[in-house]
Order: sequence, then C-alpha cells, then structure tokens
Amino acid sequence: QSVLTQPPSVSAAPGQKVTISCSGSISNIGNNYISWYQQLPGTAPKLLIFENNKRPSGIPDRFSGSKSGTSATLDITGLQTGDEADYYCGTRDTSLSIVFGGGTKLTVL
Amino acid sequence: EVQLVQSGGGLVQPGGSLRLSCAASGFSFSDYYMDWVRQAPGKGLEWVGRSRNKDHSYATEYAASVDGRCTISRDESKNSLYLQMSSLKSEDTAVYYCTRVRGGVVTALDSWGQGTLVTVSS
Repeated sequence: QSVLTQPPSVSAAPGQKVTISCSGSISNIGNNYISWYQQLPGTAPKLLIFENNKRPSGIPDRFSGSKSGTSATLDITGLQTGDEADYYCGTRDTSLSIVFGGGTKLTVL
Repeated sequence: EVQLVQSGGGLVQPGGSLRLSCAASGFSFSDYYMDWVRQAPGKGLEWVGRSRNKDHSYATEYAASVDGRCTISRDESKNSLYLQMSSLKSEDTAVYYCTRVRGGVVTALDSWGQGTLVTVSS
C-alpha cells in the first residue's frame, strides 16, 4: 500500500488531454513539493516535474503539474503514443525522505 | 553530462549479502545528496535510503523496511556510491536504482542510473 494514492490506469486518444491525480496527506503533499516521474517500458524513471510545476530542461510544455492542499495533478496535453508509460508522483514525508504513489499506467488509445 | 553507472547485483541466497555500486560523473559528487530507490518486479517505486552531501557529513537515513540491514556509503576518490545489503529476504528482490537528488530540492530525483537487478532466491 503506497503512501500516495494514484489511479492505477488512465487512457485517452492521441491529441487529447489526460490528468493523473495524486492524493496524500498533510504529512507529505500538504507540506512539501511534489515531483512527477515518467517510466517508459523497460527503462529507468525520468524526472518530469519538480517543485509542483517546474520542468527540467528538455521536458516539453505538454507536461504540467499543479498542487492544491494534499493533492496534486499531472496534466499531459497533445497526447502521443510515445507518452505511453507509467507515471509516479513523489514527495517528502515526515517519516521518510521520499514517498511515491503506486503509479499510473497511461494508455494512448 | 550527468551519468550514474551501476554495477553489482545478481542472484543471492536468502540471508546472504550483496554490495551495489554506482559510479557518478559529470557533476560534483560531494555536493549532492544521493538516494537508492528500488522497484520489485511489476511493482511501483520504493525509496530505500539516502546519503546526504559532504556539507552534511554524508549522513544517511533508511526506509524502515531495510533499516539495520542496509548501509549506504561513498568513496569520494572514486566518485562512487554504494549500497551494502545483508540478511537479504525474498522481498528484497527488485531492480535497484541509484539516483541523484536535485540540488536544493530534496523531494526531486533528477538523474537515475540504469538499474541493477537483485534476485534473492534459493
């Protein structure tokens, strides 16, 4: 059971927008920045979003993040087949350095 | 270019020990926190532990699931990070990733090694 809660799967058609949610508590998301990671099949995760809504260099602006209270969301617009991956949210928790969500599998129909 | 190249891993019997290595390049290794993260087959990510930077005396902290059985260390001369694991259990079977914590953002892991598989089985 992960500390942060994500939907197991989401899907949308190419070109559409999808939103992935991440729910936590005051001890984690509520008092810390959230990060998002993309894990393409068979590869290591990659940082997509940090400090709730900032993108590392090289990450397209189709990916955006936000946070409100004890929840966060990752939006992906203009979906491409290459976006099919597992997406994880992560943040700090008072009891651990880093906690993750259980991951969301994105299918581009 | 930041690179984290991992080595070690493999098959180990329950109760056995193993050391994973991570060679860092492309950045000032001593200035950064470094984390280990693992992923059991078909499962999500699990944080294993952290080595803070030199300014914080390379202090370490561990997840409860591995505390007392894992030790994270560094060799500055080799720009390398290590994860020593002992008393291994079947539930430690996972791909282990070496990661760099983004400078000034302790909640973001901005570089990942390629991962190394540890299989605990008799």
